[in-house]
Amino acid sequence: AQRVTQPEKLLSVFKGAPVELKCNYSYSGSPELFWYVQYSRQRLQLLLRHISRESIKGSTADLNKGETSFHLKKPFAQEEDSAMYYCALSRNSGNTPLVFGKGTRLSVIA
Amino acid sequence: DVKVTQSSRYLVKRTGEKVFLECVQDMDHENMFWYRQDPGLGLRLIYFSYDVKMKEKGDIPEGYSVSREKKERFSLILESASTNQTSMYLCASTVNEKLFFGSGTQLSVL
Repeated sequence: AQRVTQPEKLLSVFKGAPVELKCNYSYSGSPELFWYVQYSRQRLQLLLRHISRESIKGSTADLNKGETSFHLKKPFAQEEDSAMYYCALSRNSGNTPLVFGKGTRLSVIA
Repeated sequence: DVKVTQSSRYLVKRTGEKVFLECVQDMDHENMFWYRQDPGLGLRLIYFSYDVKMKEKGDIPEGYSVSREKKERFSLILESASTNQTSMYLCASTVNEKLFFGSGTQLSVL
């Protein structure tokens, strides 16, 4: 079965420090992976998409098929990066529902 | 910009009541989804629909049903609300696997 694992429920970093939010997946096919983000009092929105490399706010993530990982990276954390982050996997190609991880709350400390 | 609108931001209902959560999208998307969002559990798929009058069960459909009479509207129904259905409910529509979320309905069942 497809599964997305985000091992950290909460991650706290200091402003200006690099950030890595971990995401591991299990899927036998060719995965399509996403990061979604929810800022305080805002709706959930797409942050980054693997296939199209579409991203916002300077985030990057590299798909590592050997380690089945798709970790999100930011070189310098800003206070406005504090949010809930979800990694998600598309089950198959086409319009199938995404499988989400349980999320990681990032807190950036000034 | 895609707009996904959920009719209520907050709802308080009593155990046993029939509850309707409404969602409307304005981009003629065929695919619509209902998720619930719980701390520590992430987003879990309840039901989804690929077309009018079509519905598919997600991962946690028990206690829920849905209705899609028009393309733009996807309703989630709690036939007999229970306290364990207290949660944040998120509606989404999608094109090319990019999900657009509503702002959510926080349902409390007392």
